[in-house]
Amino acid sequence: GAVVSQHPSRVICKSGTSVKIECRSLDFQATTMFWYRQFPKKSLMLMATSNEGSKATYEQGVEKDKFLINHASLTLSTLTVTSAHPEDSSFYICSARQGLASTGELFFGEGSRLTVL
Amino acid sequence: GDSVTQMEGPVTLSEEAFLTINCTYTATGYPSLFWYVQYPGEGLQLLLKATKADDKGSNKGFEATYRKETTSFHLEKGSVQVSDSAVYFCALSTGTASKLTFGTGTRLQVTL
Repeated sequence: GAVVSQHPSRVICKSGTSVKIECRSLDFQATTMFWYRQFPKKSLMLMATSNEGSKATYEQGVEKDKFLINHASLTLSTLTVTSAHPEDSSFYICSARQGLASTGELFFGEGSRLTVL
Repeated sequence: GDSVTQMEGPVTLSEEAFLTINCTYTATGYPSLFWYVQYPGEGLQLLLKATKADDKGSNKGFEATYRKETTSFHLEKGSVQVSDSAVYFCALSTGTASKLTFGTGTRLQVTL
């Protein structure tokens, strides 16, 4: 199947700094990518939908100025956690949709664990 | 809103045991239902899906039947293997397949 890769897989940063997480579709072009957040023992929560060449669509309750999403190419979306605080510590997962149809299969990255000290 | 409830884990089984992981849902409209699996160190992978009532999704020996009357999509396998050890997520989507609502995940550990 198609491969989606996230980098870094783990990152530790100090409070107040910004952290960038990359999501790449390695063998297909992804017009649409999605960013999720997972808290311990909780389900994955959709944060935003990232469309190549346009602004991301954020879910209710997600601060767009806090979680900056850029989808500058068909194979790369980035999530930047700005001015990170300990409560931003979480597991962030991206997925990419193969094909243009809204029913296209989703492929997930392996996730990035952020720890803010 | 839409929600998915699945049994808490971890579920620990001996090899060749029968597996059931329960999943129930609430949704507006007629959702599509999915099971995803996440092996250690890897991303979530689609295991199987069903798009309408009474459909049975199957893959790699796993099965799940879309039960509208009980709003359930329980995952079953007749004989598990050590290699099935992973976290299993039940999910649904209404509208486009892209917007998924996930359950909390159930960790399965299979021992020899």
